[in-house]
Amino acid sequence: QSALTQPASVSGSPGQSITISCTGTSSDVGRFDYVSWYQQHPGKAPKLIISNVSLRPSGVSYRFSASKSGNTASLTISGLQADDEADYYCSSFTAAMTSVFGGGTKVTVL
Amino acid sequence: EVQLVQSGAEVKKPGESLKISCTGSGYSFSAYGIGWVRQMPGRGLDWMGIIRPDESDTRYSPSFQGQVTFSVDKSINTAYLQWSSLKASDSAIYYCARPRVVGAIDAFDFWGQGTMVTVFS
Repeated sequence: QSALTQPASVSGSPGQSITISCTGTSSDVGRFDYVSWYQQHPGKAPKLIISNVSLRPSGVSYRFSASKSGNTASLTISGLQADDEADYYCSSFTAAMTSVFGGGTKVTVL
Repeated sequence: EVQLVQSGAEVKKPGESLKISCTGSGYSFSAYGIGWVRQMPGRGLDWMGIIRPDESDTRYSPSFQGQVTFSVDKSINTAYLQWSSLKASDSAIYYCARPRVVGAIDAFDFWGQGTMVTVFS
């Protein structure tokens, strides 16, 4: 199965909002409400920030929100902060009963 | 406190075998699956698959089916990722991770620290 499609990079100034897209197909993102998002800082393990399309685990900042429309899921980071600079990955359950990650998006805070 | 602790870095030659481990604590190990995720140098995350100890259910990504083997020893709360014949392209960091929900195969909310595997001749 192919990786989900994410933009390679997104940037924004402190305080701004940015949105990262994650495009799949009708066999993964479009079919199931099992899209997750992860944040990964350099040299660290990934951290789950969104599950089930839009659920924020306990302890994750309210500045992270997510949604899905058709085959595309989106992660929005509002009130951008320096510590938000990281790589972000989406993932989705698939019709093959497996999971697949997106290629990752590097977020730069200008 | 939920913790996943992985075995240390490995340096191997092509053709050699390898088994790395992931030991869980602070939760009911048998109830949750353990997933494996590869991250090649400077690259993104690859879902390799998952093993569910209680159900002896193992699921592999098509990209990794036949290339690696997952196993688990419930008596010591440890999951394993194994190669029978390493290739240079297996050089990567390998993470184990636990799904947030029992029965899920992703949405990993707890991660090991990663095991770096280097394969070169």
